[in-house]
Amino acid sequence: GQQVMQIPQYQHVQEGEDFTTYCNSSTTLSNIQWYKQRPGGHPVFLIQLVKSGEVKKQKRLTFQFGEAKKNSSLHITATQTTDVGTYFCAGRAAALIFGKGTTLSVSS
Amino acid sequence: KAGVTQTPRYLIKTRGQQVTLSCSPISGHRSVSWYQQTPGQGLQFLFEYFSETQRNKGNFPGRFSGRQFSNSRSEMNVSTLELGDSALYLCASSLGRRSSYEQYFGPGTRLTVT
Repeated sequence: GQQVMQIPQYQHVQEGEDFTTYCNSSTTLSNIQWYKQRPGGHPVFLIQLVKSGEVKKQKRLTFQFGEAKKNSSLHITATQTTDVGTYFCAGRAAALIFGKGTTLSVSS
Repeated sequence: KAGVTQTPRYLIKTRGQQVTLSCSPISGHRSVSWYQQTPGQGLQFLFEYFSETQRNKGNFPGRFSGRQFSNSRSEMNVSTLELGDSALYLCASSLGRRSSYEQYFGPGTRLTVT
């Protein structure tokens, strides 16, 4: 069945450093979505990428969708303590399948 | 517009018992999905309902079941609980089944099986 893999599983950075999480699907995706879950909270939708090679930015966050539409990445520039949480990518084949997420911790 | 609500928020059950969790989607949303979240396993897809019909099912044993009502509210049931069923159960609603629809998650039900 469809699998969505994310790396790394955990990442600790100093405030101000950059952070990147990578997502790979075993199948070609029609689109990919990214969610953020704060500690003790529930996942919240961040963005959706649809086109091959698409790049979208949200302030310090940059999202990319691979040319083959099988991989994606989220890059955060100059992390802040408010960026703490787990970032999930999700791709839909029959159902929306989530990666296991990357948990980001930031020390000031 | 009210968000997705889940009841109860916390639940403690004993092995062998059964449990029913409830989810009320955002008004106008017709699709409801359920996920199990455990440390290290991320969000594992349980099932998806649309217009009272189960459209997709994840790789979980038959002890896990669900249903959706005509008002789009959904319930999931776990019978013969096992210790490994302890998890956060998240419900998510979306407008429909198109892959472009984003999912809105509820706060979850934290189930502890002792």
